[in-house]
Amino acid sequence: GQQVMQIPQYQHVQEGEDFTTYCNSSTTLSNIQWYKQRPGGHPVFLIQLVKSGEVKKQKRLTFQFGEAKKNSSLHITATQTTDVGTYFCAGVEDNFNKFYFGSGTKLNVKP
Amino acid sequence: DAGITQSPRHKVTETGTPVTLRCHQTENHRYMYWYRQDPGHGLRLIHYSYGVKDTDKGEVSDGYSVSRSKTEDFLLTLESATSSQTSVYFCAIKGTSDSEQYFGPGTRLTVT
Repeated sequence: GQQVMQIPQYQHVQEGEDFTTYCNSSTTLSNIQWYKQRPGGHPVFLIQLVKSGEVKKQKRLTFQFGEAKKNSSLHITATQTTDVGTYFCAGVEDNFNKFYFGSGTKLNVKP
Repeated sequence: DAGITQSPRHKVTETGTPVTLRCHQTENHRYMYWYRQDPGHGLRLIHYSYGVKDTDKGEVSDGYSVSRSKTEDFLLTLESATSSQTSVYFCAIKGTSDSEQYFGPGTRLTVT
């Protein structure tokens, strides 16, 4: 079955430093989604990438989808304490009905 | 948050007992999902539903069954709970704009 690997598992940064998390799929993805989960909370949808090589930005967050549609990354510029949480990628199957989540990257930001 | 509620929010039960978790949504979404979340594993799909009485298995369905007799309710049953089923369970629905998922608040289940 489809597998989505995500690294690193943990990242500790000083406030103001940049942060990147990477996802790699064993198969070509139809699209990929990114979610954020605050401590004690539930995952919240951030964005979806569909096209090969697509890049999308949300303020300090930059999302990329690889040319082969098998990998993706989330980059946060100049982290803030509000960025603390776990970031998950989710690969979506062809029929857009099943989602395969990566294991997540837990981000801790020291003020 | 897409009107999704889960009950109970916390439960402690003994090995071998049956447990049913409920997910309720108020916005008539067709697709509903049950995930479990464990440290180091992210979110793993247990079962999902694509309509009333229409369900399919996910990647970790063994030991779980589901039912959907009404659009708004999706039930997850552990017929005979085991300690390996101690986890946080999330219900989700699939939205209609980007196929994004909206998650409920979760149920923390402990099997002793």
